[in-house]
Amino acid sequence: NAGVTQTPKFQVLKTGQSMTLQCAQDMNHNSMYWYRQDPGMGLRLIYYSASEGTTDKGEVPNGYNVSRLNKREFSLRLESAAPSQTSVYFCAGRGALGTDTQYFGPGTRLTVL
Amino acid sequence: LAKTTQPISMDSYEGQEVNITCSHNNIATNDYITWYQQFPSQGPRFIIQGYKTKVTNEVASLFIPADRKSSTLSLPRVSLSDTAVYYCLVGTMDTGRRALTFGSGTRLQVQP
Repeated sequence: NAGVTQTPKFQVLKTGQSMTLQCAQDMNHNSMYWYRQDPGMGLRLIYYSASEGTTDKGEVPNGYNVSRLNKREFSLRLESAAPSQTSVYFCAGRGALGTDTQYFGPGTRLTVL
Repeated sequence: LAKTTQPISMDSYEGQEVNITCSHNNIATNDYITWYQQFPSQGPRFIIQGYKTKVTNEVASLFIPADRKSSTLSLPRVSLSDTAVYYCLVGTMDTGRRALTFGSGTRLQVQP
């Protein structure tokens, strides 16, 4: 039982390049989330998926797209990376309705030059 | 989502009890209070959750007064490994579309 896993752990991009951050969970979570965390700040929600087949924008969605491939996987894509997207990205899954507990992955540290 | 206010930082020594208070004046009837802990270079980790009065688990206690406009996370006998950022969050659990709103948290530094 790995929980929530993210790949890659580290990535360096040049401005304008694209990439996809992968997230997978084996905890049977219905809801999954993508957050970004800038240095010294709290987490800000980028996108979330309340259930398989649905996605919704969070607080800071511009410059990102997401895909809920199946119940286990939720990917985040940067189509044209910008230095402002340099951050640590966390994926999280949430249990069944009635619980507010989110389980976070280890994060992806992204640097855009 | 209810806004929360916490101290930016706190210092303590090993073996002491640490209490971190969070104010949430606009908490709604359906809202629960949840605390997360985050170590450097890791994702946040769930610590404790409550609705009213007191909740205790193997890690911490959560005290919530009757008006629920604040809550206090209590960490008994802290150790160096409790040095982390602690986030207080408030929100309802009755919809799967809800997401968490994190503030800046309280940075706890435990010294020997």
